[in-house]
Amino acid sequence: DTEVTQTPKHLVMGMTNKKSLKCEQHMGHRAMYWYKQKAKKPPELMFVYSYEKLSINESVPSRFSPECPNSSLLNLHLHALQPEDSALYLCASSYRGAWGDTQYFGPGTRLTVL
Amino acid sequence: DAKTTQPTSMDCAEGRAANLPCNHSTISGNEYVYWYRQIHSQGPQYIIHGLKNNETNEMASLIITEDRKSSTLILPHATLRDTAVYYCIVRVGPGGTSYGKLTFGQGTILTVHP
Repeated sequence: DTEVTQTPKHLVMGMTNKKSLKCEQHMGHRAMYWYKQKAKKPPELMFVYSYEKLSINESVPSRFSPECPNSSLLNLHLHALQPEDSALYLCASSYRGAWGDTQYFGPGTRLTVL
Repeated sequence: DAKTTQPTSMDCAEGRAANLPCNHSTISGNEYVYWYRQIHSQGPQYIIHGLKNNETNEMASLIITEDRKSSTLILPHATLRDTAVYYCIVRVGPGGTSYGKLTFGQGTILTVHP
């Protein structure tokens, strides 16, 4: 099973709302990632968790708050977002095996900030 | 990680081979070539990766030149479902210090025609 699931598929929120995105994998992977993808642009890395610890934060604004409660679950908490934060948010996971850590992506959450 | 250059777009007839080139003239000795694709509104999908030998799997073949400065992804019998953005990514492989980071370029939009 090489599946990464993300919920919800679509999310519309106002600038004063608080919402969360959820990502789950059951492949035994120990690294999980959040990417942001604007329309017609490539994905850009936001955060990397390794063994449930935050290892990379690509200078993401604090209105995005990641959380990794366990090795299978990754959340992205959203608060006071701006309309320019509207994008596809992608989650990925990987297991650092002998042949390099292939990343497996979920289908993404399409976020619209009004 | 080394930078890559890909054509913006390519066309291919259904049933024919699709050959997608990638230039990575500044690739280092410990860097691998990875290919991902992203079908519209879905998450990126891993295709194949290699260091210096040619590689083949059930999806595609990867041909890397002897000097490793360029590579070609080959989809042997393209179908309409292969229409996607194809990303060539050069990154450190096993044992590297940049844990799991994928830096996507603009990619090549491959359109497969009936």
